[in-house]
Amino acid sequence: EAQVTQNPRYLITVTGKKLTVTCSQNMNHEYMSWYRQDPGLGLRQIYYSMNVEVTDKGDVPEGYKVSRKEKRNFPLILESPSPNQTSLYFCASSLSWADGDGYTFGSGTRLTVV
Amino acid sequence: LAKTTQPISMDSYEGQEVNITCSHNNIATNDYITWYQQFPSQGPRFIIQGYKTKVTNEVASLFIPADRKSSTLSLPRVSLSDTAVYYCLVGPYNAGNMLTFGGGTRLMVKP
Repeated sequence: EAQVTQNPRYLITVTGKKLTVTCSQNMNHEYMSWYRQDPGLGLRQIYYSMNVEVTDKGDVPEGYKVSRKEKRNFPLILESPSPNQTSLYFCASSLSWADGDGYTFGSGTRLTVV
Repeated sequence: LAKTTQPISMDSYEGQEVNITCSHNNIATNDYITWYQQFPSQGPRFIIQGYKTKVTNEVASLFIPADRKSSTLSLPRVSLSDTAVYYCLVGPYNAGNMLTFGGGTRLMVKP
């Protein structure tokens, strides 16, 4: 089944403890992206990647890192999480950055930083 | 990207046709109109995309008038499972890195 898989689905952590949220797609998509969703603010893009080893900042990149060493994986790294990073996170992928037909989203990761 | 305006919420009943209108007065010549559906705690799901006139797929229809300053997503004979938030996005076909989701329209389908 074609899908974007995020792990974990739920995570509670403490301030300052480094964490990684994994994202993997099995559709050979070139383009991948991370979003966070907060009440009243819609989905905001954190980072995106147009292909392997090519990443760029979205609207809200502060406090986050990403890497794209392989086409299928695009992990989101929080080096020193803070409570304001408590949010619902989504990974998305598409065939290419020029593919306007739509994006496939993962099921989400609900992160709580205390 | 063109700014979009949608109703915050709408109510409907099972079996009815639902039309959600999106205003995008500043749409550019090379902009496309895309609609997504999102259920609680799930990622958005692509519904339909169009440039002008009418587009139809197995899920919905998208009506775009000649001036393209608005668009209407039409959901035929909705069911309870169509209760979700619907987002209208406007941007160039190659705007993959610039997808910005607004607040969307919260559709509640009642029995």
